[in-house]
Amino acid sequence: KNEVEQSPQNLTAQEGEFITINCSYSVGISALHWLQQHPGGGIVSLFMLSSGKKKHGRLIATINIQEKHSSLHITASHPRDSAVYICAVNRGSYQLIWGAGTKLIIKP
Amino acid sequence: GAGVSQSPSNKVTEKGKDVELRCDPISGHTALYWYRQRLGQGLEFLIYFQGNSAPDKSGLPSDRFSAERTGESVSTLTIQRTQQEDSAVYLCASSPGLAGGQDTQYFGPGTRLTVL
Repeated sequence: KNEVEQSPQNLTAQEGEFITINCSYSVGISALHWLQQHPGGGIVSLFMLSSGKKKHGRLIATINIQEKHSSLHITASHPRDSAVYICAVNRGSYQLIWGAGTKLIIKP
Repeated sequence: GAGVSQSPSNKVTEKGKDVELRCDPISGHTALYWYRQRLGQGLEFLIYFQGNSAPDKSGLPSDRFSAERTGESVSTLTIQRTQQEDSAVYLCASSPGLAGGQDTQYFGPGTRLTVL
C-alpha cells in the first residue's frame, strides 16, 4: 500500500462544478503539499499546510491531522483548471513522498 | 529572472552519449532538487543540495548519473553513456531552505531528454 493515496485517479466534470480531490496518508507528517501539473508539464505549488485550511482564489485546501486526510477543493471550475493535481507529504525532512496524482478534466 | 530556469528545454541524443542539463535556481534559495519524470509516471527524486552541506545523492539511479552545484547557484546534472531508459523529463526545483527544506518548492519548466 502506498504511503500517500489520492482519489479519484481521474475526474471529468463540467465547467462550473465544485471539485473535490482527496489525499490520504498512512505516516506521520510534518507538512502536506498540493501541486498542479499542467498538460505542458510545468509544476506549480498550490499549498503547503500542516493544519486547518488555506484558501487562494477558487482553491481551498483542508487537512485533518487526526484522520490523516486532506482535500483540495475547486469552486466554479473552469477548463483552465484541467491538470494533474498531486499531493505530497514531508515526513520531518526535505524529502517528499508523492501521491500518484489526480487527472482532472473540466469540459466547457 | 524571477523563476527557476532550466536548459536546454529539449535534448535529443544518441545512446551512449553524455548529456549535461542545467538548472538556475531562484536567487537566494539555498535548497535545490532534481527529479525525473518518465512519461505517464510520477516524480522520482534524484538528488538534493542544501547550502554547503554534502548533497543527498540517494535517488541517483546509477553511477552514470552525477550532479554538481556551485555554491548556492547553478546546478548541472550529468548523465554519462545515456541509455534509452534515461528518456524522461528532468525537473529542477529550488526552495528557500527553511525548516530543514520542508518548504514550498518552485519548479523549473524541465528538460525533456530523448535518447534514441
